[in-house]
Amino acid sequence: DAKTTQPPSMDCAEGRAANLPCNHSTISGNEYVYWYRQIHSQGPQYIIHGLKNNETNEMASLIITEDRKSSTLILPHATLRDTAVYYCIVRVPPSYGNNRLAFGKGNQVVVIP
Amino acid sequence: DAGVIQSPRHEVTEMGQEVTLRCKPISGHDYLFWYRQTMMRGLELLIYFNNNVPIDDSGMPEDRFSAKMPNASFSTLKIQPSEPRDSAVYFCASSLWERELFFGEGSRLTVL
Repeated sequence: DAKTTQPPSMDCAEGRAANLPCNHSTISGNEYVYWYRQIHSQGPQYIIHGLKNNETNEMASLIITEDRKSSTLILPHATLRDTAVYYCIVRVPPSYGNNRLAFGKGNQVVVIP
Repeated sequence: DAGVIQSPRHEVTEMGQEVTLRCKPISGHDYLFWYRQTMMRGLELLIYFNNNVPIDDSGMPEDRFSAKMPNASFSTLKIQPSEPRDSAVYFCASSLWERELFFGEGSRLTVL
């Protein structure tokens, strides 16, 4: 699976949009971009995933660049409960024979009142 | 659904003792994963099962670790004998085919 690069930490203001970047310059054509987050002392939680088109759900939006070498997770209105470690992961679908989901170091996001 | 259920939530034991961690996946899910999390190494995948069959155990650190899934609703991760370096939070997760993983609350293990 392609490696990802995220900033180790970032702050964002409560009520504002939080834009979380991720670089995955070695991503291959069949690899998806996944985002999970882990709130302190809890298990990781799925947020969103995409292949090439932008995606939106009730939690966040995912913007993938046209060359797919980077993406941005957008939390539209950050709240204090969004303080967490955010993981950007790229991987092939399990139908390709491997269902491993490998977490890196992630981005510690702190929402400030 | 109650989600992925792990037990015990906390375990403190002495070096050399056997430790058994338990996991009940979400009903209907066909994949089950065991992860370990430490400050030094982050989240590591230990093993995963598909339809109760171990598929990839390359992350299991050594022979002291073993995992079983006797049926679709139960899995165990056993450490025998335990060592202080096994201290970590162990997470179980389940998923349905290619869909997202759902994680349990974790089992925090401390080996003295």
